[in-house]
Amino acid sequence: KAGVTQTPRYLIKTRGQQVTLSCSPISGHRSVSWYQQTPGQGLQFLFEYFSETQRNKGNFPGRFSGRQFSNSRSEMNVSTLELGDSALYLCASSARPLEQYFGPGTRLTVT
Amino acid sequence: AQTVTQSQPEMSVQEAETVTLSCTYDTSENNYYLFWYKQPPSRQMILVIRQEAYKQQNATENRFSVNFQKAAKSFSLKISDSQLGDTAMYFCAFMKPIRGGSEKLVFGKGTKLTVNP
Repeated sequence: KAGVTQTPRYLIKTRGQQVTLSCSPISGHRSVSWYQQTPGQGLQFLFEYFSETQRNKGNFPGRFSGRQFSNSRSEMNVSTLELGDSALYLCASSARPLEQYFGPGTRLTVT
Repeated sequence: AQTVTQSQPEMSVQEAETVTLSCTYDTSENNYYLFWYKQPPSRQMILVIRQEAYKQQNATENRFSVNFQKAAKSFSLKISDSQLGDTAMYFCAFMKPIRGGSEKLVFGKGTKLTVNP
């Protein structure tokens, strides 16, 4: 069974631009969560989607948004990029509670 | 809000030896879950072991075991017979069950473990 895939793996954007990251969960997994990982703040929860509905949201500004499609694939969008948005963005999927499988991440660099 | 603290930013161990990584957490909840995740240099996060707070028995997965002290809010990871492939960042994480089944992990800052040959 294929693992969680994230595209693109690397991305360079300029301040003020917007970006969309994609996450394809493991087949059959309906929950998708997003995390931001930075050296300073560590791993922080962004949001979680289940069956196309956002079930939970972390403490991030409204510039961070997401959605989930009927096939459980999820996208997250960051508008008006800031230098501090440079991070590794991790996606995790699960079929059952307490078993989250992480993807390899998307490395976003904002210049 | 829950917090997770890993007091050892870096540790090293010789191959085949045993090492223990520390983790403490702060919560007022009685029912929760604790995890150890491993993130090798390739950056794919992998679940190492999980502990349900209502279970008194410490979880064990092959060479990995935990020492869960609920009253002390401590959750340490012991790696026995360390292998070179154990070299990675290790994250302790907390999850509180939320109505509706939502899953949100709260992570510690991590411990970088290096296994030396």
